[in-house]
Amino acid sequence: DAKTTQPDSMESTEGETVHLPCSHATISGNEYIYWYRQVPLQGPEYVTHGLQQNTTNSMAFLAIASDRKSSTLILPHVSLRDAAVYHCILMQQGTGSKLSFGKGAKLTVSP
Amino acid sequence: GPKVLQIPSHQIIDMGQMVTLNCDPVSNHLYFYWYKQILGQQMEFLVNFYNGKVMEKSKLFKDQFSVERPDGSYFTLKIQPTALEDSAVYFCASSLTGGEDTQYFGPGTRLLVL
Repeated sequence: DAKTTQPDSMESTEGETVHLPCSHATISGNEYIYWYRQVPLQGPEYVTHGLQQNTTNSMAFLAIASDRKSSTLILPHVSLRDAAVYHCILMQQGTGSKLSFGKGAKLTVSP
Repeated sequence: GPKVLQIPSHQIIDMGQMVTLNCDPVSNHLYFYWYKQILGQQMEFLVNFYNGKVMEKSKLFKDQFSVERPDGSYFTLKIQPTALEDSAVYFCASSLTGGEDTQYFGPGTRLLVL
Protein backbone atom coordinates (compact mmCIF):
# COMPACT_ATOMS: atom_id res chain seq x y z
CA ASP A 1 0.00 0.00 0.00
CA ALA A 2 1.13 3.53 -0.71
CA LYS A 3 1.92 5.41 2.46
CA THR A 4 0.97 8.78 3.87
CA THR A 5 2.94 11.18 6.00
CA GLN A 6 1.35 13.40 8.61
CA PRO A 7 2.71 15.55 11.44
CA ASP A 8 2.62 13.77 14.78
CA SER A 9 0.58 16.52 16.37
CA MET A 10 -0.97 19.93 15.90
CA GLU A 11 -2.34 22.44 18.36
CA SER A 12 -5.21 24.83 17.93
CA THR A 13 -7.62 27.05 19.83
CA GLU A 14 -11.39 26.91 19.74
CA GLY A 15 -12.85 28.89 16.87
CA GLU A 16 -9.75 28.66 14.70
CA THR A 17 -9.60 27.09 11.27
CA VAL A 18 -7.20 24.17 11.30
CA HIS A 19 -5.24 22.86 8.33
CA LEU A 20 -4.10 19.25 8.67
CA PRO A 21 -1.57 18.30 5.99
CA CYS A 22 -0.98 14.89 4.50
CA SER A 23 1.70 13.86 2.03
CA HIS A 24 1.19 10.89 -0.29
CA ALA A 25 3.89 11.24 -2.92
CA THR A 26 3.48 7.71 -4.31
CA ILE A 27 -0.30 7.70 -4.62
CA SER A 28 -1.70 5.63 -7.48
CA GLY A 29 -4.29 6.87 -9.90
CA ASN A 30 -6.97 4.57 -8.51
CA GLU A 31 -6.43 5.42 -4.85
CA TYR A 32 -8.87 7.56 -2.92
CA ILE A 33 -7.79 9.81 -0.05
CA TYR A 34 -9.77 9.10 3.08
CA TRP A 35 -9.79 10.92 6.40
CA TYR A 36 -10.96 9.35 9.63
CA ARG A 37 -10.65 10.60 13.18
CA GLN A 38 -10.57 8.72 16.43
CA VAL A 39 -10.97 9.77 20.03
CA PRO A 40 -9.95 7.54 22.93
CA LEU A 41 -12.27 4.65 23.71
CA GLN A 42 -14.24 5.09 20.48
CA GLY A 43 -14.15 3.67 16.98
CA PRO A 44 -12.83 5.69 14.04
CA GLU A 45 -15.26 8.22 12.64
CA TYR A 46 -15.44 8.93 8.93
CA VAL A 47 -14.66 12.56 8.10
CA THR A 48 -14.41 12.85 4.33
CA HIS A 49 -12.78 11.48 1.23
CA GLY A 50 -11.86 12.49 -2.30
CA LEU A 51 -10.17 11.35 -5.46
CA GLN A 52 -9.12 14.40 -7.47
CA GLN A 53 -11.49 17.27 -6.82
CA ASN A 54 -11.73 19.20 -3.59
CA THR A 55 -14.66 18.05 -1.49
CA THR A 56 -16.70 19.59 1.26
CA ASN A 57 -19.23 18.32 3.76
CA SER A 58 -20.61 19.38 7.11
CA MET A 59 -17.46 18.32 8.90
CA ALA A 60 -14.57 19.47 6.76
CA PHE A 61 -13.14 20.69 3.48
CA LEU A 62 -10.63 18.48 1.71
CA ALA A 63 -8.19 20.24 -0.55
CA ILE A 64 -6.33 17.92 -2.93
CA ALA A 65 -3.25 19.12 -4.78
CA SER A 66 -3.48 19.07 -8.56
CA ASP A 67 -0.76 16.40 -8.75
CA ARG A 68 -2.51 14.47 -5.93
CA LYS A 69 0.74 14.08 -4.02
CA SER A 70 -0.61 15.91 -1.02
CA SER A 71 -3.87 16.94 0.55
CA THR A 72 -5.05 19.14 3.38
CA LEU A 73 -8.00 18.58 5.65
CA ILE A 74 -9.44 21.92 6.66
CA LEU A 75 -11.56 22.08 9.79
CA PRO A 76 -13.39 25.40 10.10
CA HIS A 77 -14.07 26.88 13.53
CA VAL A 78 -12.87 23.93 15.57
CA SER A 79 -14.43 23.10 18.91
CA LEU A 80 -13.23 20.95 21.79
CA ARG A 81 -15.13 18.03 20.22
CA ASP A 82 -12.79 18.14 17.23
CA ALA A 83 -9.85 17.08 19.36
CA ALA A 84 -8.87 13.65 18.05
CA VAL A 85 -6.27 11.70 16.14
CA TYR A 86 -6.81 12.34 12.45
CA HIS A 87 -5.83 9.64 10.00
CA CYS A 88 -5.12 10.26 6.32
CA ILE A 89 -5.46 6.92 4.52
CA LEU A 90 -5.27 5.83 0.90
CA MET A 91 -7.94 3.42 -0.25
CA GLN A 92 -7.59 1.53 -3.49
CA GLN A 93 -10.52 0.95 -5.81
CA GLY A 94 -11.60 -2.63 -5.97
CA THR A 95 -13.50 -5.10 -3.88
CA GLY A 96 -13.15 -5.50 -0.15
CA SER A 97 -10.44 -2.95 0.44
CA LYS A 98 -8.86 -2.61 3.85
CA LEU A 99 -7.95 0.57 5.70
CA SER A 100 -4.30 0.83 6.71
CA PHE A 101 -4.11 3.08 9.75
CA GLY A 102 -0.88 4.81 10.69
CA LYS A 103 -0.16 6.85 13.79
CA GLY A 104 -2.17 9.78 12.48
CA ALA A 105 -1.94 13.38 13.64
CA LYS A 106 -3.12 14.24 17.11
CA LEU A 107 -5.07 17.49 17.11
CA THR A 108 -5.27 19.28 20.42
CA VAL A 109 -7.87 22.03 20.84
CA SER A 110 -7.54 24.50 23.68
CA PRO A 111 -10.41 26.58 25.06
CA GLY B 1 -23.90 8.81 10.32
CA PRO B 2 -24.83 5.16 9.99
CA LYS B 3 -24.49 3.18 13.20
CA VAL B 4 -22.64 -0.05 13.78
CA LEU B 5 -23.23 -1.76 17.12
CA GLN B 6 -20.94 -4.16 18.94
CA ILE B 7 -21.80 -6.59 21.70
CA PRO B 8 -20.43 -6.89 24.33
CA SER B 9 -18.59 -3.68 25.02
CA HIS B 10 -16.22 -5.47 27.38
CA GLN B 11 -15.25 -9.11 27.82
CA ILE B 12 -12.88 -10.72 30.28
CA ILE B 13 -12.00 -14.37 29.81
CA ASP B 14 -9.37 -16.88 30.83
CA MET B 15 -6.69 -17.89 28.39
CA GLY B 16 -7.71 -20.94 26.39
CA GLN B 17 -11.40 -20.20 26.49
CA MET B 18 -13.48 -19.40 23.44
CA VAL B 19 -14.91 -15.94 22.86
CA THR B 20 -17.36 -14.61 20.29
CA LEU B 21 -17.51 -10.94 19.47
CA ASN B 22 -20.71 -9.72 17.87
CA CYS B 23 -21.23 -6.95 15.37
CA ASP B 24 -24.54 -5.52 14.20
CA PRO B 25 -23.63 -3.78 10.94
CA VAL B 26 -25.51 -1.06 9.10
CA SER B 27 -28.67 -2.74 7.84
CA ASN B 28 -28.12 -2.62 4.07
CA HIS B 29 -24.36 -3.03 4.09
CA LEU B 30 -22.80 -6.00 2.38
CA TYR B 31 -19.11 -5.84 3.31
CA PHE B 32 -17.87 -6.43 6.82
CA TYR B 33 -14.52 -5.94 8.51
CA TRP B 34 -12.70 -6.61 11.75
CA TYR B 35 -9.79 -4.52 13.01
CA LYS B 36 -7.65 -4.97 16.12
CA GLN B 37 -6.10 -2.23 18.23
CA ILE B 38 -3.77 -2.97 21.11
CA LEU B 39 -3.69 -0.23 23.73
CA GLY B 40 -1.48 2.64 22.60
CA GLN B 41 -0.80 1.13 19.19
CA GLN B 42 -2.09 1.59 15.65
CA MET B 43 -5.28 -0.05 14.52
CA GLU B 44 -4.62 -3.03 12.28
CA PHE B 45 -6.77 -4.82 9.74
CA LEU B 46 -7.74 -8.40 10.49
CA VAL B 47 -10.21 -9.57 7.89
CA ASN B 48 -12.96 -8.58 5.50
CA PHE B 49 -16.00 -10.61 4.55
CA TYR B 50 -18.53 -10.56 1.75
CA ASN B 51 -21.23 -12.91 0.55
CA GLY B 52 -20.41 -15.48 3.17
CA LYS B 53 -16.72 -15.58 2.39
CA VAL B 54 -13.47 -14.15 3.67
CA MET B 55 -12.14 -11.85 0.95
CA GLU B 56 -8.83 -10.91 2.52
CA LYS B 57 -7.11 -11.55 5.83
CA SER B 58 -3.95 -10.29 7.43
CA LYS B 59 -1.16 -12.13 9.22
CA LEU B 60 -2.86 -11.23 12.49
CA PHE B 61 -5.85 -13.36 11.55
CA LYS B 62 -4.54 -16.55 13.12
CA ASP B 63 -5.92 -20.03 12.60
CA GLN B 64 -7.69 -19.65 15.93
CA PHE B 65 -9.81 -16.87 14.45
CA SER B 66 -12.96 -17.34 12.41
CA VAL B 67 -15.71 -15.09 11.11
CA GLU B 68 -19.24 -15.70 9.95
CA ARG B 69 -22.59 -14.04 9.50
CA PRO B 70 -25.20 -16.77 9.87
CA ASP B 71 -28.59 -15.99 8.33
CA GLY B 72 -27.82 -12.31 7.90
CA SER B 73 -27.73 -11.69 11.63
CA TYR B 74 -24.67 -10.61 13.61
CA PHE B 75 -21.28 -10.62 11.97
CA THR B 76 -19.14 -12.51 14.45
CA LEU B 77 -15.48 -12.92 15.25
CA LYS B 78 -14.70 -16.10 17.16
CA ILE B 79 -11.40 -16.80 18.82
CA GLN B 80 -10.82 -20.37 19.94
CA PRO B 81 -8.69 -20.84 21.93
CA THR B 82 -7.77 -17.38 23.16
CA ALA B 83 -4.22 -16.33 24.00
CA LEU B 84 -2.85 -13.51 26.15
CA GLU B 85 -1.80 -11.57 23.06
CA ASP B 86 -5.42 -11.46 21.90
CA SER B 87 -6.11 -8.81 24.53
CA ALA B 88 -7.06 -5.71 22.54
CA VAL B 89 -9.98 -3.63 21.34
CA TYR B 90 -11.68 -5.20 18.36
CA PHE B 91 -13.52 -2.89 16.00
CA CYS B 92 -16.10 -3.99 13.51
CA ALA B 93 -16.87 -1.98 10.39
CA SER B 94 -19.25 -2.29 7.48
CA SER B 95 -19.65 -0.73 4.05
CA LEU B 96 -22.38 -0.81 1.46
CA THR B 97 -20.03 -1.97 -1.25
CA GLY B 98 -16.40 -2.92 -1.13
CA GLY B 99 -13.53 -1.17 -2.75
CA GLU B 100 -13.22 2.47 -1.87
CA ASP B 101 -16.64 2.71 -0.25
CA THR B 102 -16.78 4.34 3.17
CA GLN B 103 -16.43 2.02 6.14
CA TYR B 104 -18.42 2.83 9.27
CA PHE B 105 -17.05 1.63 12.58
CA GLY B 106 -18.60 0.36 15.77
CA PRO B 107 -17.49 1.46 19.24
CA GLY B 108 -15.33 -1.62 19.77
CA THR B 109 -15.26 -4.59 22.13
CA ARG B 110 -12.54 -4.49 24.77
CA LEU B 111 -11.24 -8.01 25.23
CA LEU B 112 -9.01 -8.91 28.15
CA VAL B 113 -7.53 -12.39 28.23
CA LEU B 114 -6.15 -13.41 31.61
